[in-house]
Amino acid sequence: SQQGEEDPQALSIQEGENATMNCSYKTSINNLQWYRQNSGRGLVHLILIRSNEREKHSGRLRVTLDTSKKSSSLLITASRAADTASYFCATHTGTASKLTFGTGTRLQVTL
Amino acid sequence: KAGVTQTPRYLIKTRGQQVTLSCSPISGHRSVSWYQQTPGQGLQFLFEYFSETQRNKGNFPGRFSGRQFSNSRSEMNVSTLELGDSALYLCASSSLQGGGTEAFFGQGTRLTVV
Repeated sequence: SQQGEEDPQALSIQEGENATMNCSYKTSINNLQWYRQNSGRGLVHLILIRSNEREKHSGRLRVTLDTSKKSSSLLITASRAADTASYFCATHTGTASKLTFGTGTRLQVTL
Repeated sequence: KAGVTQTPRYLIKTRGQQVTLSCSPISGHRSVSWYQQTPGQGLQFLFEYFSETQRNKGNFPGRFSGRQFSNSRSEMNVSTLELGDSALYLCASSSLQGGGTEAFFGQGTRLTVV
């Protein structure tokens, strides 16, 4: 079963614009991670935010976490065509390494 | 440092057959997890191994099994294949058990059952 939903399901923007994706989850978490997937290939880890953190930056990425609302957002600033991919949030709970993924957002960045 | 290697990349099997997929984690990583990705169900956790022991198992039938070797390489096996087993199977390795760090994914094995 999936932990939660991501919205929007699909997002189309022009190069240079910002892209925001949202993730909601259902249970308490240890951390939340964001991954990118290009065309049905492997997932690439983007950023990890722990449950006691509220915001984190990495290059053009900004992630926020609101544990009271059980939600997170990923902001990609100044998008590039190479950012075109599917983006997934994944939550980690408990003591195992299992990640529970959201439904994903398909981002299309056009020139 | 070499990444996570999955073999084969593509596989076509017939219903009723069995299949074995292989995953070599990043050198030094002892935790290996497997995921199934389908358009309908998304990314679903299959199982996790750490130091040759299965630590966690997802909600899949017993036809899905796995193992991990002393060198941390892992295999997963699906017996009596069904059409619905067609999916991208992803393997991930991490340096720690417990999910406190990022997971590194392989490129996946695309299994098609006909």
